[in-house]
Amino acid sequence: SQKIEQNSEALNIQEGKTATLTCNYTNYSPAYLQWYRQDPGRGPVFLLLIRENEKEKRKERLKVTFDTTLKQSLFHITASQPADSATYLCALDIDGNNRKLIWGLGTSLAVNP
Amino acid sequence: NAGVTQTPKFQVLKTGQSMTLQCAQDMNHNSMYWYRQDPGMGLRLIYYSASEGTTDKGEVPNGYNVSRLNKREFSLRLESAAPSQTSVYFCASNVAGAQETQYFGPGTRLLVL
Repeated sequence: SQKIEQNSEALNIQEGKTATLTCNYTNYSPAYLQWYRQDPGRGPVFLLLIRENEKEKRKERLKVTFDTTLKQSLFHITASQPADSATYLCALDIDGNNRKLIWGLGTSLAVNP
Repeated sequence: NAGVTQTPKFQVLKTGQSMTLQCAQDMNHNSMYWYRQDPGMGLRLIYYSASEGTTDKGEVPNGYNVSRLNKREFSLRLESAAPSQTSVYFCASNVAGAQETQYFGPGTRLLVL
């Protein structure tokens, strides 16, 4: 079955630095890969989506890369801020219709002032 | 717009009791979803409804039933709650189709004693 692995340990970085989070997957190649943010006690909030034929996607301080050969996506937050502290989830859309997403466990990010 | 709303926010049940979790969205979305989120397991799809009048099983449907009452509302019912159903339940919705991300509600925290 499809397996997703994200950084298992929490990531602590200094304000202003770039945070890099990893999402690795096995077996099938997803049509799309999505990144969400989740704050404690709240539901996930969509951040970025990247398609299998895209190498990179950017939105403001966020950048996502997608390497289907390595079966890996990297999520970068540049010029990080304490407000970026949250758990970040990656989700794979296997069949491309966004109905059955397979979710990673998430990586907890703490940005220290 | 309120987005996706869920009731109740918290609930404590005794084993064997029944309850219905309510979800409503005001974004005119076709598809709606129920997930559960557990530590170490990530988000797992329980049921989804691609459109009004249709429902399909997800990854972990056992012990649950759903009703798509109309386009706005999608309820999740536990007929005989078990301690293994202690979890945080999220409802989500989207237009459905490629690149249509899911919008999540705030969640219902359920404890089954």
